[in-house]
Amino acid sequence: RKEVEQDPGPFNVPEGATVAFNCTYSNSASQSFFWYRQDCRKEPKLLMSVYSSGNEDGRFTAQLNRASQYISLLIRDSKLSDSATYLCVVEDTGRRALTFGSGTRLQVQP
Amino acid sequence: EAGVTQSPTHLIKTRGQQATLRCSPISGHTSVYWYQQALGLGLQFLLWYDEGEERNRGNFPPRFSGRQFPNYSSELNVNALELEDSALYLCASSLGRGAYTGELFFGEGSRLTVL
Repeated sequence: RKEVEQDPGPFNVPEGATVAFNCTYSNSASQSFFWYRQDCRKEPKLLMSVYSSGNEDGRFTAQLNRASQYISLLIRDSKLSDSATYLCVVEDTGRRALTFGSGTRLQVQP
Repeated sequence: EAGVTQSPTHLIKTRGQQATLRCSPISGHTSVYWYQQALGLGLQFLLWYDEGEERNRGNFPPRFSGRQFPNYSSELNVNALELEDSALYLCASSLGRGAYTGELFFGEGSRLTVL
């Protein structure tokens, strides 16, 4: 079983749609959680950290459920520029080893 | 401000050869990480260096090794290359201990092809 599992997609949505991605992780020692974004043939970049209480950054909302070892990302009012692969990332902070999911591809269509 | 820089951009080697990849972190960052991204797979953690020392390594054989220099730049060496080593190798940097925020800044990667 993979340490971090994501639905690879692709998710094809129209502009303005709301889309949600889910991610599950297996290592209960994971202490920090992130969503990274990777554009085609580009390097990953941090989108947002995920906090236990849930957090929002503009159109993006992240949620964490430690009991179920589940992380989610909600994107509201999708833009064409949101088209990318979204990587779920968990970290055993002491070992500084970020474990990346394989990513969920989002394609926002006009 | 310059980001993380990696060289070479592309490298072609044959089986059994050695490859050396280089990385310069963002100024002020003391931690350097190496990841492998094989086609169709997620990023796999290779190595973490901080303050010149190897702090952690992923589940890779010993022929994957590296080092960090006093100026915090880093090298990744892959010995006895195998076909399955063909991948994009990404270097990332971050602030060091005490200042670490969890954010890694990635370079654009070095694409290694083993023939």
